[in-house]
Order: sequence, then C-alpha cells, then structure tokens
Amino acid sequence: GQSLEQPSEVTAVEGAIVQINCTYQTSGFYGLSWYQQHDGGAPTFLSYNALDGLEETGRFSSFLSRSDSYGYLLLQELQMKDSASYFCACEWHSYSGAGSYQLTFGKGTKLSVIP
Amino acid sequence: GAGVSQSPSNKVTEKGKDVELRCDPISGHTALYWYRQSLGQGLEFLIYFQGNSAPDKSGLPSDRFSAERTGGSVSTLTIQRTQQEDSAVYLCASSGGLAVWEQYFGPGTRLTVT
Repeated sequence: GQSLEQPSEVTAVEGAIVQINCTYQTSGFYGLSWYQQHDGGAPTFLSYNALDGLEETGRFSSFLSRSDSYGYLLLQELQMKDSASYFCACEWHSYSGAGSYQLTFGKGTKLSVIP
Repeated sequence: GAGVSQSPSNKVTEKGKDVELRCDPISGHTALYWYRQSLGQGLEFLIYFQGNSAPDKSGLPSDRFSAERTGGSVSTLTIQRTQQEDSAVYLCASSGGLAVWEQYFGPGTRLTVT
C-alpha cells in the first residue's frame, strides 16, 4: 500500500520561512510532487522531485531523500496569499490490472500565514 | 481547451438517484484521472484513463461507481443509487503523456446527496 504523513496544520508569520515535511511508505516509488490548494479551489502543481536533492522554483523549494523516504516543501518570504493547503503526493507504479503510474496524495497541511 | 473543465459545478440529488459527472481534459492530454475529496480531507484516487482504457479501476469505492472515456477526450463518472456518503467534491485531472507527477485539475463538481 501507499501512505504519506504530513502535519495537519502549520502557522507562520508573513515574511518568514516555513518547511512542510512529508514522509512516505510507497512500493514502486518514482518521485514526490507538491500541490497547493486554496479554499474552494482546485489543486495546482508546485514542484516534483525524482532525484535526491533540492529543486528551487522562485520562493518555493522542494527536497527529496529517497534513502530516508522523506521530502519537504520550503516556502520563503511568506505572503498572505500563501495561506492554503499543501499536499505531497507520491508517484508510483501500480502493478494492478494493466499497470500504471499513479499519484497518491497525503491528507494535506493547512498553512496559515499571519501578519 | 485552455484548461480542464467539469460539469456541473454543483449537483444536489436525492438518495437513490443516479448522477453523471463530466470532465473535459486539456486538449492533447492522454491521461485522465478522477479523485474524490471530502471536506478538509486529502484526495482519494478513483480511476485513471490512458487514452480510452482504464488500466486501474481499483480505487472505485463500490460497483455503483463507473467511468468511461470516449475518443480519448471527455470522460463521464457515473454514480448509481447515490448514498449520502457519496457527498464530496469530485475532481478530474489530466496530464500529458507519462508526466503523471504534473496533473492539471478542473474546478470540481460538488455533489450533495440529500
């Protein structure tokens, strides 16, 4: 089976840095994605790590350690608009049926940015 | 189209009725996914299409749920004999080729079963 663990809630101050951790147990693991979802909105893709290390995209960075089954999303220079839920998602290969690559999502971390 | 579209945006139905939810993916995207999200929860995988075939239907909660995709484009998720526990937001996503990790989501259909 696939399981992902991430904190349910995080609060941080505007302008600060926050790290959202994600640990996973996934057979057939290929990579780790991060998605952002504002209240009432659809999830939007933020980043993807297939290899160990840090990927940087503007104020957002994502890290993966395959040996530790661990990753994190780092948000810098927090803005009020960053208040949203953040989901980590494992890409894995399913051998069920004809086989496929799928994403399994964590339950999400609700980030609240306060002034 | 410019993005993934879903219809209807909201659906209220009585317990026991059948409902059909529609998804129109981004033009040229071969992969299409259906998820279900209950209030404040994560995304529950339902089914995945590559072209018109569904390699994995294991996420469908029961045999009341079915889905099809025709012409490698539009997909319909059908829920028969709806139950109150089916109430949720049903999200559709599409991705190009094998880029499973980068999915583009539609706005969702909020289903309420009374």
